[in-house]
Amino acid sequence: AQKVTQAQTEISVVEKEDVTLDCVYETRDTTYYLFWYKQPPSGELVFLIRRNSFDEQNEISGRYSWNFQKSTSSFNFTITASQVVDSAVYFCALSEPDNNAGNMLTFGGGTRLMVKP
Amino acid sequence: DSGVTQTPKHLITATGQRVTLRCSPRSGDLSVYWYQQSLDQGLQFLIQYYNGEERAKGNILERFSAQQFPDLHSELNLSSLELGDSALYFCASSTDSEQGYGYTFGSGTRLTVV
Repeated sequence: AQKVTQAQTEISVVEKEDVTLDCVYETRDTTYYLFWYKQPPSGELVFLIRRNSFDEQNEISGRYSWNFQKSTSSFNFTITASQVVDSAVYFCALSEPDNNAGNMLTFGGGTRLMVKP
Repeated sequence: DSGVTQTPKHLITATGQRVTLRCSPRSGDLSVYWYQQSLDQGLQFLIQYYNGEERAKGNILERFSAQQFPDLHSELNLSSLELGDSALYFCASSTDSEQGYGYTFGSGTRLTVV
């Protein structure tokens, strides 16, 4: 069964610090997709990134970067020079194409990031 | 605005009652998904519809049912409500039923059962 673990339930940093959110996943499939979503205090879920299992290139988008390592089944998310507006709950999610379950996402438990001024 | 519209935004009701949550997908999206976010269970997949047909089912209680109408909007019906059903219910939509396509989520309906 697929599973996503975000071991850090809560992280607190001071503005301008770098912070890494960990995500470890379990899957039996060779083809799968990984996602990160952000849930700010207002409650909506905001899509950040999608990565397929065949693309291990790291991705950078502004202050955000993602490190995908199949060898350790990890898909970690780093925010550089954090800002107060980054305060939110961040979810990692997994989708497996071969489980005949449509397009279901399995979410991790989330990491609450608090950035203090 | 994500393009996925959920109504109502907030709902307070009593135990034993029945409620209907409504979702309008983004224009052009054929798939609609329902998720429940509660403090103890986290974000859990309930059900997916694709072009009017049920495509996948998750941890959806028998007291809950859903459907997708010809105009592609979807409704989630929750009956015989219990205190534990209090949660944030998200609808999401995507263009394709198959794997790997990112969702767009609505802003959610916060259900409080008292």
